[in-house]
Amino acid sequence: AQKVTQAQTEISVVEKEDVTLDCVYETRDTTYYLFWYKQPPSGELVFLIRRNSFDEQNEISGRYSWNFQKSTSSFNFTITASQVVDSAVYFCALSVMDSSYKLIFGSGTRLLVRP
Amino acid sequence: DAGVIQSPRHEVTEMGQEVTLRCKPISGHDYLFWYRQTMMRGLELLIYFNNNVPIDDSGMPEDRFSAKMPNASFSTLKIQPSEPRDSAVYFCASSLNPGADTQYFGPGTRLTVL
Repeated sequence: AQKVTQAQTEISVVEKEDVTLDCVYETRDTTYYLFWYKQPPSGELVFLIRRNSFDEQNEISGRYSWNFQKSTSSFNFTITASQVVDSAVYFCALSVMDSSYKLIFGSGTRLLVRP
Repeated sequence: DAGVIQSPRHEVTEMGQEVTLRCKPISGHDYLFWYRQTMMRGLELLIYFNNNVPIDDSGMPEDRFSAKMPNASFSTLKIQPSEPRDSAVYFCASSLNPGADTQYFGPGTRLTVL
């Protein structure tokens, strides 16, 4: 069975601090995809990144970076120099072929960035 | 592109009434997904379509729920009769090929059943 665990329910930081959101996944499939989505207070789900299981390169996009480690089944997300606009719920998700590539979401981490 | 379009954005209804949620996927996307978000269960897949055909409806909670996709640009999710426990945010998402492409979500419909 597939599973995504986001152990951090809520994180509060002061603006300009760096923050890392943890994501641990479980699957027996060798081919899978990992995602991060952002859900701001307005409620929509905004796609941030997709990573396939064969690409362990870390990725950086502006203040955002992702660390994918198959050895620990983790796909962590770091925001550098956080801003108030980063306040949102962040979801990590997994999709595998055997599950028809449906997205299996973690429970989400609520990030509050205080001014 | 306009993105995935959902309507209505908010729906308030009374228990027992029929509710119809609508979705227009991104043009050219062959896959359409319906998800539900609740505090208790988080985000969960209800059903998905490929080329207008339902492929996996194992997430549909019970017979009161039904979904259709009469053409490539329109899908509905119907609840009849609605119950208070159906209150949730319902998201529609579409994708070119979920195995190699991203699912893009609509803004969601917030349903409240009184």
